[in-house]
Amino acid sequence: NAGVMQNPRHLVRRRGQEARLRCSPMKGHSHVYWYRQLPEEGLKFMVYLQKENIIDESGMPKERFSAEFPKEGPSILRIQQVVRGDSAAYFCASSPGFRVRNTEAFFGQGTRLTVV
Amino acid sequence: DQQVKQNSPSLSVQEGRISILNCDYTNSMFDYFLWYKKYPAEGPTFLISISSIKDKNEDGRFTVFLNKSAKHLSLHIVPSQPGDSAVYFCAARRPIMNYGGSQGNLIFGKGTKLSVKP
Repeated sequence: NAGVMQNPRHLVRRRGQEARLRCSPMKGHSHVYWYRQLPEEGLKFMVYLQKENIIDESGMPKERFSAEFPKEGPSILRIQQVVRGDSAAYFCASSPGFRVRNTEAFFGQGTRLTVV
Repeated sequence: DQQVKQNSPSLSVQEGRISILNCDYTNSMFDYFLWYKKYPAEGPTFLISISSIKDKNEDGRFTVFLNKSAKHLSLHIVPSQPGDSAVYFCAARRPIMNYGGSQGNLIFGKGTKLSVKP
């Protein structure tokens, strides 16, 4: 049973380019969370998605950032017109659906985004 | 506004002794508390959790204590082993009431780096 898969593991983008980060949840999990970890910081919540539905995006920056979790395929975190301050490790986690209390979420290995 | 605080950025302990990692929180709506362990270049790994209606949960060498009146929890590792050396994150679950509280977001502290010396 594969865990949460994130790709790419490392991503380098020039300022102004777009970054797309992918997350495939664990088998049977229909809920996905995205977190960002800046250097020397903890994990900051960004967005919580169910398939085809955004449940909570209170941690997402208002501009340039968007997330989706389509019916088919992985969840995508998209950052447009990247700036140096976007350089961070982005982690995805998944959990089962509403009928199960998500007292634990399983994390992927993260995507390290570097903006040059 | 940091709702989950880990005030010690690092902790060094001798192998075989007890490690105590502390965590404070401010939001009384949190209903579950969790500890995650993280190695460099890897994602966090779930360790142990505790419901807000309990004051202690034990799993092998790991015990989590919750003092709800003080809004404080701690993770005890006994005995500590060199392989326990990692960054430990405290997390609290904020339920989303629109979904009957069955789901929630995890709010993380900044982590404590534990070093267990042989």
